[in-house]
Amino acid sequence: AQSVAQPEDQVNVAEGNPLTVKCTYSVSGNPYLFWYVQYPNRGLQFLLKYITGDNLVKGSYGFEAEFNKSQTSFHLKKPSALVSDSALYFCAVRGFSSGSARQLTFGSGTQLTVLP
Amino acid sequence: GAGVSQSPSNKVTEKGKDVELRCDPISGHTALYWYRQSLGQGLEFLIYFQGNSAPDKSGLPSDRFSAERTGGSVSTLTIQRTQQEDSAVYLCASSIRAGGPDTQYFGPGTRLTVL
Repeated sequence: AQSVAQPEDQVNVAEGNPLTVKCTYSVSGNPYLFWYVQYPNRGLQFLLKYITGDNLVKGSYGFEAEFNKSQTSFHLKKPSALVSDSALYFCAVRGFSSGSARQLTFGSGTQLTVLP
Repeated sequence: GAGVSQSPSNKVTEKGKDVELRCDPISGHTALYWYRQSLGQGLEFLIYFQGNSAPDKSGLPSDRFSAERTGGSVSTLTIQRTQQEDSAVYLCASSIRAGGPDTQYFGPGTRLTVL
């Protein structure tokens, strides 16, 4: 079985400060990892993904995420937060092996609020 | 290009009625997924289709839920005899293939309210 934990329901950060949204995962074998963002009354919007290779993945809107295999983590980061980054963020995982589930398993989401 | 579209955007129904939700995936995407997003349960997988293969229905919560995909494109999720606990946002996603590293792209969702 595969699972994702987002330990923080809410993260508040001041505009211009760096932000981190935490994610840890559990999956058999190697993972594919994804971050999505959801704005109010909208669907999920893809930000970035880790497949293999470089542990630091760069994505849309200045976001990046660092894959750490030993800590089974994939934290989302941004060097300088904007008020417009305020949204609900989801981490998701899918296993790498041929027997893994094809669907994504999502974390519970983290509400990011960037304060002006 | 056009993304995943879903209709209706909102649906209000009475308990016991049947509802149909529609998803139109990105052209050329062979995989199509349905998820449900509710306050208490987060994002749950319901079902996925991959090409002409039999769908994976392992996430459907009861036999009141069913889905079909016609011609490898448009999909309809049907909920029979709706219950209040079915109230949620139903999200559809598509990807080039099922599984692997392919990104799933989501539609805007259908908000279902069962009175």
